Amino acid sequence: TQLLEQSPQFLSIQEGENLTVYCNSSSVFSSLQWYRQEPGEGPVLLVTVVTGGEVKKLKRLTFQFGDARKDSSLHITAAQPGDTGLYLCAGGEGGSQGNLIFGKGTKLSVKP
Amino acid sequence: DVKVTQSSRYLVKRTGEKVFLECVQDMDHENMFWYRQDPGLGLRLIYFSYDVKMKEKGDIPEGYSVSREKKERFSLILESASTNQTSMYLCASSLGAQGSPLHFGNGTRLTVT
Repeated sequence: TQLLEQSPQFLSIQEGENLTVYCNSSSVFSSLQWYRQEPGEGPVLLVTVVTGGEVKKLKRLTFQFGDARKDSSLHITAAQPGDTGLYLCAGGEGGSQGNLIFGKGTKLSVKP
Repeated sequence: DVKVTQSSRYLVKRTGEKVFLECVQDMDHENMFWYRQDPGLGLRLIYFSYDVKMKEKGDIPEGYSVSREKKERFSLILESASTNQTSMYLCASSLGAQGSPLHFGNGTRLTVT
């Protein structure tokens, strides 16, 4: 069974700080997605990475897929209170049905 | 934008009741999924469907069943609700292609007393 380990589980920082969230596995994934979930809502896709070594930027968020496609990281520069939420990584198993394996998430709190 | 609508935001049911959770998507997606989300356990897949009348068990199907009579609608059924089924239930849909993103509803928080 493929597993995705996310770390840290909780993170509480001050506005303006930088942070990195990690998503690791011993298995290779065909793709990896990052979602953010705000309280009372469903997760919303932030990015999909598919190529080993790929780096994608979304404003202050930088996503990286490991060369071996077993791990990923999310780096936030100058965090803002609006970044508060649960960050989930999800790995694609391949195949035609699009099933994803989810990590347990990193709960981020950014204090003003 | 894809919209996934779950019929109830909050439900309170008694032990032993039959519970229906409804989900509708408006983008003609082939795949639909039901997850439950619990603190410390993350998102766990209950059932998924990749076509009308087709269903596949996920990681934790025990105590649940599903129905997909129309492409846009995917129902989760708790035949006899138990207190350990108190949870947040999330429905999602996606295109069938590999790596397609999931589009989630806003969830149904079910409490079984």
